[in-house]
Amino acid sequence: NAGVTQTPKFRILKIGQSMTLQCTQDMNHNYMYWYRQDPGMGLKLIYYSVGAGITDKGEVPNGYNVSRSTTEDFPLRLELAAPSQTSVYFCASSYDQYSNSPLHFGNGTRLTVT
Amino acid sequence: LAKTTQPISMDSYEGQEVNITCSHNNIATNDYITWYQQFPSQGPRFIIQGYKTKVTNEVASLFIPADRKSSTLSLPRVSLSDTAVYYCLVGAYSGGGADGLTFGKGTHLIIQP
Repeated sequence: NAGVTQTPKFRILKIGQSMTLQCTQDMNHNYMYWYRQDPGMGLKLIYYSVGAGITDKGEVPNGYNVSRSTTEDFPLRLELAAPSQTSVYFCASSYDQYSNSPLHFGNGTRLTVT
Repeated sequence: LAKTTQPISMDSYEGQEVNITCSHNNIATNDYITWYQQFPSQGPRFIIQGYKTKVTNEVASLFIPADRKSSTLSLPRVSLSDTAVYYCLVGAYSGGGADGLTFGKGTHLIIQP
């Protein structure tokens, strides 16, 4: 099993451009999450989804959008990229919502906005 | 806000046992305690999880006192490759929100030769 796969690994955007960060998982997990990690900082939750068609905001949702049309895929959309969105983005999934269901992370997308 | 408090950094030497403590005073009855390890340029990786007393696997041990307000991750005989950031997470998404999914800054463990 591949687990959680994120593409692309790296991307440079100009201010005002848009892009979609892709995330797919092959573990049939219902719960999926997007985090961002700034240098030397912990992970901040952007959006999460508890199943296909259901999404909700995390701690830092402004400037991002998500959709969840299938169990496997949870893309993150950046509209009008800003330098403040320069970060490493991690996608994660978990089997269910219970406390003993650990998160499985992808290896991240490093995004630079200039 | 993160529901946990950990030291920002720790240093140790190869071959030593390292203990990292996490405080979680507001832990709920149903919450498990989960530890993750993160290397540079990688996503966090699950290490160990527990609910009470002691849990041991091939990588680490987790000690949880009876009041469950703290937990200690123990790494036996560390090596240079254990240099990483370690995160303690309590709870998870719980229907009313995602507070349990908030990662703090973690503990940056540096192992020296």
